[in-house]
Amino acid sequence: GQNIDQPTEMTATEGAIVQINCTYQTSGFNGLFWYQQHAGEAPTFLSYNVLDGLEEKGRFSSFLSRSKGYSDLLLKELQMKDSASYLCAVEDSNYQLIWGAGTKLIIKP
Amino acid sequence: IAGITQAPTSQIMAAGRRMTLRCTQDMRHNAMYWYRQDLGLGLRLIHYSNTAGTTGKGEVPDGYSVSRANTDDFPLTLASAVPSQTSVYFCASSDGSPGQAFFGQGTRLTVV
Repeated sequence: GQNIDQPTEMTATEGAIVQINCTYQTSGFNGLFWYQQHAGEAPTFLSYNVLDGLEEKGRFSSFLSRSKGYSDLLLKELQMKDSASYLCAVEDSNYQLIWGAGTKLIIKP
Repeated sequence: IAGITQAPTSQIMAAGRRMTLRCTQDMRHNAMYWYRQDLGLGLRLIHYSNTAGTTGKGEVPDGYSVSRANTDDFPLTLASAVPSQTSVYFCASSDGSPGQAFFGQGTRLTVV
């Protein structure tokens, strides 16, 4: 079966760096996506990886290793507003999107 | 309208009743999706439409129906609601990969 695994919850300190892991087992691979979702709000697109390596976008970066079947979302210079859930999703070979359950990130001052 | 709009924002309804959740986008995206989000689970695709006039079943389609009469609108209907359909429903649209989608603000539906 197809599976996306993420930690349920993580805690980090304001100003620090945090790394959220996503491992996947899917029928083929057409790309991996990260979304941010604040409580009670809609998910918003953060990043897209299809090739191995790092994609950087400001304070947020996402790393992909297709051979090992994982991605890491790195958040630098954490701010209180970064407290949210981070959702990982993989598009399989049938162009279907498989979603992880999300990682709730708690930022403490 | 800017982006993608869902209505109602929240609703409490009796089991056995019919309910239509509305979704409208003004981005002229070809593809639209309906997801449900439940605590501890990832987003699950209910139905999708790749273009106006076509629809397809997702992971959890039972008890739901959709239509896509035009590019902008993609309503989701629960013909006879059951308590297990209590959830937060998100409509989304994309102009390419389903992974790069814009989401509506969600509809919190409670079936009692």
